[in-house]
Amino acid sequence: SQTIHQWPATLVQPVGSPLSLECTVEGTSNPNLYWYRQAAGRGLQLLFYSVGIGQISSEVPQNLSASRPQDRQFILSSKKLLLSDSGFYLCAWTQGGVNEKLFFGSGTQLSVL
Amino acid sequence: AQTVTQSQPEMSVQEAETVTLSCTYDTSESDYYLFWYKQPPSRQMILVIRQEAYKQQNATENRFSVNFQKAAKSFSLKISDSQLGDAAMYFCAPNNAGNMLTFGGGTRLMVKP
Repeated sequence: SQTIHQWPATLVQPVGSPLSLECTVEGTSNPNLYWYRQAAGRGLQLLFYSVGIGQISSEVPQNLSASRPQDRQFILSSKKLLLSDSGFYLCAWTQGGVNEKLFFGSGTQLSVL
Repeated sequence: AQTVTQSQPEMSVQEAETVTLSCTYDTSESDYYLFWYKQPPSRQMILVIRQEAYKQQNATENRFSVNFQKAAKSFSLKISDSQLGDAAMYFCAPNNAGNMLTFGGGTRLMVKP
């Protein structure tokens, strides 16, 4: 069966420090991968998605970047965190077909102080 | 771009009663799916139900059903025989041709014993 792993679960970082959040999917190949952010009490905002290795699309301009160095690995990064980067980050995947449901990771709560 | 409106920030229902959560959306897609996701206090995103826009028949999953009005672009979720475990944030989300979901702002459902 397929599983998605996302870590760390909680992260507290100072302003200006770098960020690296990792997400891996097991039990499938060539998934579509997504990074979403959820502000407190709000809905999910799509940040990045990837349909293959090295293929990254950004939905909103921001202080963050994403990379997909391997088929089932998706990384969210920042060189210098801002206070506004705080939030709950969710990684998700689909099999790649049209209208497939999203499977979500357990999320990372990022607090930038 | 798609927009999704969930006009009820909070709803309350008595245990064993029925509640309906509303959702309206705007899309230029002709073929799409609509999803309802549940986010309990654990913050794990869980798929509740999925509707294919080209199907007139409303989707049903046990105690959960939808009222899909394509012309009105309305996609409400009905929860019958509400249980304490139904307490959560509920998000409505249509997808687009790239299978990217746009999420509404959510409705917090409280279930009273």
